[in-house]
Amino acid sequence: SQKIEQNSEALNIQEGKTATLTCNYTNYSPAYLQWYRQDPGRGPVFLLLIRENEKEKRKERLKVTFDTTLKQSLFHITASQPADSATYLCALIRGNKLVFGAGTILRVKS
Amino acid sequence: KAGVTQTPRYLIKTRGQQVTLSCSPISGHRSVSWYQQTPGQGLQFLFEYFSETQRNKGNFPGRFSGRQFSNSRSEMNVSTLELGDSALYLCASSFSSGGTSYNEQFFGPGTRLTVL
Repeated sequence: SQKIEQNSEALNIQEGKTATLTCNYTNYSPAYLQWYRQDPGRGPVFLLLIRENEKEKRKERLKVTFDTTLKQSLFHITASQPADSATYLCALIRGNKLVFGAGTILRVKS
Repeated sequence: KAGVTQTPRYLIKTRGQQVTLSCSPISGHRSVSWYQQTPGQGLQFLFEYFSETQRNKGNFPGRFSGRQFSNSRSEMNVSTLELGDSALYLCASSFSSGGTSYNEQFFGPGTRLTVL
């Protein structure tokens, strides 16, 4: 069956460093992949969408890569800030349904 | 534009009861999806409605149902509640032209359902 795997452990980094989050998937070839941010008690907020023919996409301090050979997407936050602390979810289309990974908790310490 | 709104925000029910949750999408969005989020299972897709028709359905029992009205507002119903139905129920709307591609989803704040 298809799986989406994100770092199960929380990622703790120092303010100013680059945070890198991983999303791996198996048994599927999605046309595109999305990344969301979720704060406690709130709904997810869309961040970026990357298509299978795009290797990289950027938005301000955010960068997403999509390697369809490795079946992996990397999500980078450069110059991280404590306000970036949240859970980050990747999601991909499977049979016309949006399937989410379990998410990775990011903690940025000042 | 106003965001996605969900009512009620919190709900406490007992086993065997039924519940109806409401979602108002962003103006102009015709696609509304529902998700269940629990600590153990994460965010799971329930169903999606587009122009008053259920377009996609997740792997949930028939106790979970929904509908969409002509103004794109949507309701979700859970009958014969079980303890395991305790979760955060999220509604998301998106601008869809009618195809099945998923544009960015705009989520509401969710309804926290507790079943005792």
